[in-house]
Amino acid sequence: GQQVMQIPQYQHVQEGEDFTTYCNSSTTLSNIQWYKQRPGGHPVFLIQLVKSGEVKKQKRLTFQFGEAKKNSSLHITATQTTDVGTYFCAGSAGNKLTFGGGTRVLVKP
Amino acid sequence: KAGVTQTPRYLIKTRGQQVTLSCSPISGHRSVSWYQQTPGQGLQFLFEYFSETQRNKGNFPGRFSGRQFSNSRSEMNVSTLELGDSALYLCASSLVTGAQRTEAFFGQGTRLTVV
Repeated sequence: GQQVMQIPQYQHVQEGEDFTTYCNSSTTLSNIQWYKQRPGGHPVFLIQLVKSGEVKKQKRLTFQFGEAKKNSSLHITATQTTDVGTYFCAGSAGNKLTFGGGTRVLVKP
Repeated sequence: KAGVTQTPRYLIKTRGQQVTLSCSPISGHRSVSWYQQTPGQGLQFLFEYFSETQRNKGNFPGRFSGRQFSNSRSEMNVSTLELGDSALYLCASSLVTGAQRTEAFFGQGTRLTVV
């Protein structure tokens, strides 16, 4: 069945630094979604990418969808303490939405 | 519009008991999915219901079951509770149009503690 892997599982970042989390699917996706879950909260939708090679930005967050529509990345610049949380990607194929294991981001002030 | 509502928010049960959790999706959303999340873990997919039919199922034992009503509200039942069932149970609703899935809207979750 469809599998979605995320790396790294944990990311310790110094405040002000940049980092990237990666998402890889075992199958071609129709779209990929990204979610953020703050500590103690529930996942909240951030963005959806649909087109091959698509790049979208939200302030300091840059999302990319691979040319083959099997991988994606989230790059955060100038990390802030408000970026703390777990970031999940979710790949959509057919009628299934499969979540990756998430990248838990810890920020060192 | 109102978000996804899960009840109850917190629950304490004893081993061997059964529990029923409820999820009311956003109006117009016919897809409801359930997930189990343990501390520091990802989202483990339980099942998805669409128009009262179970459409997808994760790798959980038969003690975990669910259903969806004609108004799209969904319930999840866990029988013969085990200590390992202690977790945050999240439900998410989404609007499915053709082959595209729109974003999933999550409820606040039900935190189940089995003692």
